[in-house]
Amino acid sequence: GAGVSQTPSNKVTEKGKYVELRCDPISGHTALYWYRQSLGQGPEFLIYFQGTGAADDSGLPNDRFFAVRPEGSVSTLKIQRTERGDSAVYLCASSLDPAGPTPIFGPGTRLTVL
Amino acid sequence: DQQVKQNSPSLSVQEGRISILNCDYTNSMFDYFLWYKKYPAEGPTFLISISSIKDKNEDGRFTVFLNKSAKHLSLHIVPSQPGDSAVYFCAATSNTGNQFYFGTGTSLTVIP
Repeated sequence: GAGVSQTPSNKVTEKGKYVELRCDPISGHTALYWYRQSLGQGPEFLIYFQGTGAADDSGLPNDRFFAVRPEGSVSTLKIQRTERGDSAVYLCASSLDPAGPTPIFGPGTRLTVL
Repeated sequence: DQQVKQNSPSLSVQEGRISILNCDYTNSMFDYFLWYKKYPAEGPTFLISISSIKDKNEDGRFTVFLNKSAKHLSLHIVPSQPGDSAVYFCAATSNTGNQFYFGTGTSLTVIP
């Protein structure tokens, strides 16, 4: 596609539920990032993929968060046992490769945990 | 620990005047800096970047200045236009890392 797309655009769930957030990067982009933006804050790094592998997952807050990118394109961020503090906008970005570090962001998924 | 700081949460500027947005960083390993612009309900949009080997980069109405000794960069927009009203984020990274560190953003309002 022309840009990074993310689905759903909005997700409301109840505390304790499981959610999946999807990211379709720009075709051909090998690097993929997940960020989280809470109200009044800047985007906060979660995880970085180079191809299919998670090259850096140091930003994942705890083991309730997990992300995959099985074919090196689409990525899914998975959150188990959601908590109210997980409410945020989850942003996905992709770039051609790490040597050309200008990530292009998607519109984000707004997650609300009630 | 906030490695990139934008100490001004908001800024208002008259149309046609210059907007100056500031950013400070603490990590001396950072060698690449970016500015993103964000409208409500949209993802951040890349605006302009600068490598640490330069002290200035210009693109149309937008100029970024880097002062490595002060660990400070600024974005100048001149002339400012109402369509520039948005939240601006400063970001930084190093060639040894994969993360981009973002500031908390500055909300710019350009008054017609």
